[in-house]
Amino acid sequence: EDKVVQSPLSLVVHEGDTVTLNCSYEVTNFRSLLWYKQEKKAPTFLFMLTSSGIEKKSGRLSSILDKKELFSILNITATQTGDSAVYLCAVITNAGGTSYGKLTFGQGTILTVHP
Amino acid sequence: DAMVIQNPRYQVTQFGKPVTLSCSQTLNHNVMYWYQQKSSQAPKLLFHYYDKDFNNEADTPDNFQSRRPNTSFCFLDIRSPGLGDAAMYLCATSREVRQETQYFGPGTRLLVL
Repeated sequence: EDKVVQSPLSLVVHEGDTVTLNCSYEVTNFRSLLWYKQEKKAPTFLFMLTSSGIEKKSGRLSSILDKKELFSILNITATQTGDSAVYLCAVITNAGGTSYGKLTFGQGTILTVHP
Repeated sequence: DAMVIQNPRYQVTQFGKPVTLSCSQTLNHNVMYWYQQKSSQAPKLLFHYYDKDFNNEADTPDNFQSRRPNTSFCFLDIRSPGLGDAAMYLCATSREVRQETQYFGPGTRLLVL
């Protein structure tokens, strides 16, 4: 069974801090890893990572994938209260020869940023 | 703006009373997905359509059905909702077979009384 594990489960920081969120996976037929941010609504896409060692950046957020060690990290620098959310990691796999990519989510990391 | 739209945003139904949730997309994506997300849990895939080809996850209860009458619309039917079906239902789309990023709608929160 495909498994995606995120750590920590929750994190409380103050504005300006830098945080690192972790995602490890054990899956069959890995294709890509996605990061989403979820506030009180649907997940919002952040990054898709397919290749090892290539950092993706968007403003204060960055992410990198290590396909050898089977993990990814999401970094947020100079955190703001608006970064408070659940951060979901998901892995796409080839689902038994079907044409689509099956998305398996981790349980999420709840980030709370205090002023 | 191109997007994934879900209606209604909140749905209240009675125990055992059939309910239908709807999803539409203006992205012209081929693949549409339905997820169930319970409180403090990750989204769980129920089923997906690649064009008109329907794919059910092995552990999706028979109580859940889906219809996709055309590219733009997809419906989730819950035939006899139980208290355990109260959850957020998320619709998502992806463009093509090899286009892997899934774009989510705002979700419908279902409450079963």
